[in-house]
Amino acid sequence: ETGVTQSPTHLIKTRGQQVTLRCSSQSGHNTVSWYQQALGQGPQFIFQYYREEENGRGNFPPRFSGLQFPNYSSELNVNALELDDSALYLCASSLVAVSHMNTEAFFGQGTRLTVV
Amino acid sequence: LAKTTQPISMDSYEGQEVNITCSHNNIATNDYITWYQQFPSQGPRFIIQGYKTKVTNEVASLFIPADRKSSTLSLPRVSLSDTAVYYCLVPPSGGYQKVTFGTGTKLQVIP
Repeated sequence: ETGVTQSPTHLIKTRGQQVTLRCSSQSGHNTVSWYQQALGQGPQFIFQYYREEENGRGNFPPRFSGLQFPNYSSELNVNALELDDSALYLCASSLVAVSHMNTEAFFGQGTRLTVV
Repeated sequence: LAKTTQPISMDSYEGQEVNITCSHNNIATNDYITWYQQFPSQGPRFIIQGYKTKVTNEVASLFIPADRKSSTLSLPRVSLSDTAVYYCLVPPSGGYQKVTFGTGTKLQVIP
């Protein structure tokens, strides 16, 4: 158990719909990142939030958006769903340290999104 | 960002030591090397991280040569439960979580 929880665990949506995925970070962590993992591929970085501000974004269109709340929990929103959005969506939390030492990221179990 | 290259797959018998090598030719001075493990339908799990020479924990060892252009994850006496995908990451300093994982190495442990 990493202390990072995601909801829901599975979801089926229709093309064109909107979806909101949720992530509860590990206690004390101030940074959350979201990843998309297609079948057979490694996780692809979507974006990162640090203290409620977006702090980096991968190669994903604007219909992928997010929020981080004061308690450091987070949401990933995807509008106008496409079939290719079907994937495992992973949330990772960490405590960003002010040093060159990279900190360990703790991943949740993911949300399996199927777009039909 | 340092690009990493690792074998797509490996097979090993139970009880053997497994070594997975990752190359990262353009690693920067302040970059650390990190390895994650992922089981199907689960999020990746941190295994080990190192900067140079050798790092060991209760799960694995990480060997990094002096030039740091490669690293080797060593799993002692693997069991069936070690069957998973192993990812080598070299995230930029301060931008740890922004790294996109590659396809990793799929390790299949055979009875």
